[in-house]
Amino acid sequence: GQQVMQIPQYQHVQEGEDFTTYCNSSTTLSNIQWYKQRPGGHPVFLIQLVKSGEVKKQKRLTFQFGEAKKNSSLHITATQTTDVGTYFCAGTNTGNQFYFGTGTSLTVIP
Amino acid sequence: NAGVTQTPKFRILKIGQSMTLQCTQDMNHNYMYWYRQDPGMGLKLIYYSVGAGITDKGEVPNGYNVSRSTTEDFPLRLELAAPSQTSVYFCASSLTGGSYEQYFGPGTRLTVT
Repeated sequence: GQQVMQIPQYQHVQEGEDFTTYCNSSTTLSNIQWYKQRPGGHPVFLIQLVKSGEVKKQKRLTFQFGEAKKNSSLHITATQTTDVGTYFCAGTNTGNQFYFGTGTSLTVIP
Repeated sequence: NAGVTQTPKFRILKIGQSMTLQCTQDMNHNYMYWYRQDPGMGLKLIYYSVGAGITDKGEVPNGYNVSRSTTEDFPLRLELAAPSQTSVYFCASSLTGGSYEQYFGPGTRLTVT
């Protein structure tokens, strides 16, 4: 079956440092979504990428979709304590079922 | 709009008991999903529905059943609960399929002992 792997599993950074999480799929995706889950909370949608090589920015967050549409990354510049949480990618190739990555848990040390 | 609501928030079941997790959305979304999230893991799709009267299996459907008699409601039934079903269950909805964001409910934390 389809697998979506995410690395690293955990990341601790000093406030102000950058952070990157990587998402890799075993199959080509039609699109990929990114979600953030605060501790004890539920996933909240951040963004969707559809096109090969697409890059989107949201303030300090930069999202990329690989040329082969099998990998994606999320980069946060100058982390803040409000960035704490787990970041998940979720990919689909059918439009009906999304396969979530295992997530990267980000801790920001003030 | 309340968005996606789930009840109960917490539940403890004994092995072999049954229960229904309720999910309701008020956004007139066509697609609804049930996921489970084990500690430190990502979300696994249990069942999904593309509209009233239509349901389909996800990655991990064994031990669960669903129905979708209305657009708003998508209950998840656990029959003969097992310790392996201890998890946090999230219901989600989206306007249609893969091009639209999923809105998640607050989750139900289930423990089977």
